[in-house]
Amino acid sequence: DTGVSQDPRHKITKRGQNVTFRCDPISEHNRLYWYRQTLGQGPEFLTYFQNEAQLEKSRLLSDRFSAERPKGSFSTLEIQRTEQGDSAMYLCASRQREATSTDTQYFGPGTRLTVL
Amino acid sequence: GNSVTQMEGPVTLSEEAFLTINCTYTATGYPSLFWYVQYPGEGLQLLLKATKADDKGSNKGFEATYRKETTSFHLEKGSVQVSDSAVYFCALGTSGSRLTFGEGTQLTVNP
Repeated sequence: DTGVSQDPRHKITKRGQNVTFRCDPISEHNRLYWYRQTLGQGPEFLTYFQNEAQLEKSRLLSDRFSAERPKGSFSTLEIQRTEQGDSAMYLCASRQREATSTDTQYFGPGTRLTVL
Repeated sequence: GNSVTQMEGPVTLSEEAFLTINCTYTATGYPSLFWYVQYPGEGLQLLLKATKADDKGSNKGFEATYRKETTSFHLEKGSVQVSDSAVYFCALGTSGSRLTFGEGTQLTVNP
């Protein structure tokens, strides 16, 4: 399978704990995106990387959230001091930089976070 | 800013019925438009896309036409199947950056 992969698929944690999610993009894709999806809503953009550079962050990304892509390949999203409002599906997507930009992003299966 | 509005759901149809899910958008510049589908327990899958005005995207019997004059990208299928039951998301994207999604429309197709 050469699609976008995410780990873990499910995470249950207690309020106040830190959690870290991992995303492995499609190998030749240099752009990587994180989104958050709450129940009954569409995904909301959090941040994106081009190679190892984090180029844009949403206002949704509070100080408790940090994302990295140290070698321009996989990425991690860490949430510190989790709150119940952080419970959501965290989606990763990747995109190839093409000569003709069609903006197609390919999504992973997501990590479902439940904060108790 | 960019925004996407989808018709309110859920939508329930009988097998072989005609499907329309409305999508309108507000955007600066010239966005690309997408329909993504999310089956139960799975991630988002690209269903179809259109990158400029009057383009028609199509896949698996679904179609949508990029209408700049009405800022719309309605999804249609002539004959739905039970296996089409899923949540459908309309989205727009601008070069290199974020996708903006609608709230999604739950489709249930009954035998």
